[in-house]
Amino acid sequence: DAKTTQPNSMESNEEEPVHLPCNHSTISGTDYIHWYRQLPSQGPEYVIHGLTSNVNNRMASLAIAEDRKSSTLILHRATLRDAAVYYCILRPAGGTSYGKLTFGQGTILTVHP
Amino acid sequence: EAGVVQSPRYKIIEKKQPVAFWCNPISGHNTLYWYRQNLGQGPELLIRYENEEAVDDSQLPKDRFSAERLKGVDSTLKIQPAELGDSAVYLCASSLEIGLNTEAFFGQGTRLTVV
Repeated sequence: DAKTTQPNSMESNEEEPVHLPCNHSTISGTDYIHWYRQLPSQGPEYVIHGLTSNVNNRMASLAIAEDRKSSTLILHRATLRDAAVYYCILRPAGGTSYGKLTFGQGTILTVHP
Repeated sequence: EAGVVQSPRYKIIEKKQPVAFWCNPISGHNTLYWYRQNLGQGPELLIRYENEEAVDDSQLPKDRFSAERLKGVDSTLKIQPAELGDSAVYLCASSLEIGLNTEAFFGQGTRLTVV
């Protein structure tokens, strides 16, 4: 399965934008890029996903590099409630791992008031 | 609409005892996952069901772990006998799979402590 690389931790100030990077240089052509986050003492929560084009939803934006070897999750205005572990996941669209959601270590985001 | 419901929320047992976790997925969701999460780590997939069929159980330690999803709805994960190293949070998730353009919904998990 293709792997992702994320920074262990990042910090931000409240109401500022946050850009969370993810490298996935071995991504295959049909892997979807998913982002989940996990707040303290909660199960993971879906944030956004995409395949090739940039995506926006009410929670965040996903910017995908043209070669798809990296992506960036963008929180436009961080709030204290956005403090969580953010996971970047490649979801295979083929092979024996079809549909599998494999979590890595993620990025711990700290938001300062 | 209710989300994924797991019970119990917390469980403390002595080693070598059996333990079972229960998951009620979101109504209509055909895919169900069980994950284990150790402290400070990301969730690790144990088993994935599509309806009643376990389509990926390669990470399930089959000597002591078992799971079932009768009628393709609720699911139970069992450990027998439990070991100290089984202490973790056990997460259940469900999704309605239409291709891969879907999201998985997670429950709050069951925190297991083996003493």
